[in-house]
Amino acid sequence: DAGVIQSPRHEVTEMGQEVTLRCKPISGHDYLFWYRQTMMRGLELLIYFNNNVPIDDSGMPEDRFSAKMPNASFSTLKIQPSEPRDSAVYFCASSFYGRGLVTGELFFGEGSRLTVL
Amino acid sequence: QKEVEQDPGPLSVPEGAIVSLNCTYSNSAFQYFMWYRQYSRKGPELLMYTYSSGNKEDGRFTAQVDKSSKYISLFIRDSQPSDSATYLCAMKSNDYKLSFGAGTTVTVRA
Repeated sequence: DAGVIQSPRHEVTEMGQEVTLRCKPISGHDYLFWYRQTMMRGLELLIYFNNNVPIDDSGMPEDRFSAKMPNASFSTLKIQPSEPRDSAVYFCASSFYGRGLVTGELFFGEGSRLTVL
Repeated sequence: QKEVEQDPGPLSVPEGAIVSLNCTYSNSAFQYFMWYRQYSRKGPELLMYTYSSGNKEDGRFTAQVDKSSKYISLFIRDSQPSDSATYLCAMKSNDYKLSFGAGTTVTVRA
């Protein structure tokens, strides 16, 4: 089975530009998470969805960040306008209600490495 | 103070050595404790989870949780070069939000 698929794997952009990161969760998973990983702050939860509905976006740093999940197989994280401090690896993860989520098992994609110049 | 503290290392050990990793935490509501392994340029993957206090063993890996001290550990016996990775502790209460440690980078020298 295919895992969580993220694109692009690498993105280099200039300050002020719009960035869109994409994620396809594992089929059948009803929870989707967006995380950001930096050396300074580690892995931080930005937002998570249940059945395509945003449940908790308290980790979204500012209004420049937005996330959508138009259907069960696709989600986007958008940064507009981007700033150098947004440089990080952004991970999408999915899971399923029941043993997976109760025990904390998240299935991560390989991440999108964003560099904002 | 961070909710979960983890020594970032790095840790370098010879092949066959025992690797000891640990985390401390401050939130007494945490009940599920996990260790994730992250290879370079990859996403984290779940290695082990433990519910509440106690020990759990899986092959060469042993996870320990001491809720009274708010302290968790992961031991890797007979370490192999393929164990070289970053190990992240994670924990949660009854909701679905995981709190991660900063990760400890381990290198096992052949």
